[in-house]
Amino acid sequence: GAVVSQHPSRVICKSGTSVKIECRSLDFQATTMFWYRQFPKQSLMLMATSNEGSKATYEQGVEKDKFLINHASLTLSTLTVTSAHPEDSSFYICSARASGDSTDTQYFGPGTRLTVL
Amino acid sequence: GNSVTQMEGPVTLSEEAFLTINCTYTATGYPSLFWYVQYPGEGLQLLLKATKADDKGSNKGFEATYRKETTSFHLEKGSVQVSDSAVYFCALPVDGGATNKLIFGTGTLLAVQP
Repeated sequence: GAVVSQHPSRVICKSGTSVKIECRSLDFQATTMFWYRQFPKQSLMLMATSNEGSKATYEQGVEKDKFLINHASLTLSTLTVTSAHPEDSSFYICSARASGDSTDTQYFGPGTRLTVL
Repeated sequence: GNSVTQMEGPVTLSEEAFLTINCTYTATGYPSLFWYVQYPGEGLQLLLKATKADDKGSNKGFEATYRKETTSFHLEKGSVQVSDSAVYFCALPVDGGATNKLIFGTGTLLAVQP
């Protein structure tokens, strides 16, 4: 149980294009999902908290117009990197917290490797 | 807010050796504590957790005990395998659950040699 999927697992795009990454909780409902960014050999950097039916909450320094987050249902959140540039190349990981879970457990997706040329 | 300090790596062990990765925390109250594992090129997987003081979380031969006296949650395994080679992250809620966010340690790379 508690499986989270991400799609695509790997994407290569040209500079200036937009890329959408999907995060799905497959066997549970997730009121809250989180988006992280991870640089090589580093810990995770929280980008934003995504709440179903409301606007995402972004961490300080994260551009909300560049990283668009939509949490349209209890099982799906999407991250769109708009007008991507090479410096946006990174490993993006989502996680989901099951609705009603009081332990703050987050279940993670397998990650998406974004390369912007 | 809460904070976590994790043992720096890399940790290099021979197969069947004993593993300890230290994790200490500062927190208000008694939040849940977590260990996550990240294999190369993958996302994080929940390895184990403990939700209250003195609880022991265990999974796949790994154990960690929630010790409030020493504010620690050290990860241990009696006999590591090559397949345990990964990065291990200690984590706890940032602020007692108000935002549901987690704070992660810097990660400890474990390399197990045959």
